[in-house]
Amino acid sequence: DAKTTQPPSMDCAEGRAANLPCNHSTISGNEYVYWYRQIHSQGPQYIIHGLKNNETNEMASLIITEDRKSSTLILPHATLRDTAVYYCIVRAENSGYSTLTFGKGTMLLVSP
Amino acid sequence: EAGVAQSPRYKIIEKRQSVAFWCNPISGHATLYWYQQILGQGPKLLIQFQNNGVVDDSQLPKDRFSAERLKGVDSTLKIQPAKLEDSAVYLCASSSDRTGSTFFGQGTRLTVV
Repeated sequence: DAKTTQPPSMDCAEGRAANLPCNHSTISGNEYVYWYRQIHSQGPQYIIHGLKNNETNEMASLIITEDRKSSTLILPHATLRDTAVYYCIVRAENSGYSTLTFGKGTMLLVSP
Repeated sequence: EAGVAQSPRYKIIEKRQSVAFWCNPISGHATLYWYQQILGQGPKLLIQFQNNGVVDDSQLPKDRFSAERLKGVDSTLKIQPAKLEDSAVYLCASSSDRTGSTFFGQGTRLTVV
């Protein structure tokens, strides 16, 4: 079973920041937090990942709480093309050997 | 770099027929995964290969599903015979041992009627 809890859906106005929460209260010390998204009719797409420090890349920012029991994915200026299902996943180590276990994710709808 | 290639994109078959899906991972990626995604759910791992060896096939329904990865590159997933509940998107993914980043193909949408 997935080790994360996410709201089933969220709405966001175009141009505003989208903040997607994720709870992972049972995360282990060697587990990373990964975020993927899946646009309709496409395969999941990697967004960002982190261990305990906040991370930022060209797509998004990842804020992980100090106790690592929750995190927030931030899309700073959401566009209509960001409408997708967003998956928060905890994954052992930073290795290609470990699998991604998906939950149901959060359906983000960005509206004009 | 080229992404994960899958074919076909769509397939419609009758129940009890057989079907095969093909996947070509990103060049150099040793790990290959097959996932099943039923409508409204997240992807579920069916099988994981490391080179041409199976690492995890605990969730693969082995009475009807089979997969192989000859020569540690391309892979095929077969269903025989298909059931109505096998209707889903079958996703192939690959990852680099060095970085751990996992990349997915666009998937094959299977409809069993």
